[in-house]
Amino acid sequence: KQEVTQIPAALSVPEGENLVLNCSFTDSAIYNLQWFRQDPGKGLTSLLLIQSSQREQTSGRLNASLDKSSGRSTLYIAASQPGDSATYLCAVGVDDKIIFGKGTRLHILP
Amino acid sequence: NAGVTQTPKFRVLKTGQSMTLLCAQDMNHEYMYWYRQDPGMGLRLIHYSVGEGTTAKGEVPDGYNVSRLKKQNFLLGLESAAPSQTSVYFCASSPRAQPQHFGDGTRLSIL
Repeated sequence: KQEVTQIPAALSVPEGENLVLNCSFTDSAIYNLQWFRQDPGKGLTSLLLIQSSQREQTSGRLNASLDKSSGRSTLYIAASQPGDSATYLCAVGVDDKIIFGKGTRLHILP
Repeated sequence: NAGVTQTPKFRVLKTGQSMTLLCAQDMNHEYMYWYRQDPGMGLRLIHYSVGEGTTAKGEVPDGYNVSRLKKQNFLLGLESAAPSQTSVYFCASSPRAQPQHFGDGTRLSIL
């Protein structure tokens, strides 16, 4: 059974710092991996989608990498801002579905 | 663009009552999904649909039924609500497998 783990569960960093969020999955047979952002009381917003044949995707200050063989992905956020405070969820695509990790709650300190 | 719209946004029910949650998408997507999100449990898939007239069970389908009579709508029904079904429910849609567009959620409390 595919399991997705995100460590740490919560993270606080000062504004301006670069940071890395981690995601690991137990079964390398995935179609893709997505990183989502969820603000309190809101739905999920897809940030980056990496297909299984790709190694990384970039969008603005965000960079996501995928190492399928080792079952790991990282989300790199450059020059963090208070507006980046949110919960970040990693999800792997398997068959017709995606399986979510429990998220990392990020707080950027002004 | 409306995207994915969930109705209602909030609801309080008594144990044993029934209700239907509506999800509507205006992007002509084939795939639609219902998830529930609980503290410490993350997002878990209840049911999903790969096209009009189709439905399939997800990870936690018990106590729920779904219907996809029209391509743009995906309904989630609770026939006899239980306190364990208190949760935030999210609908999602996608043009292909693996959902990418989520609604803002329905917060449901069962007393």
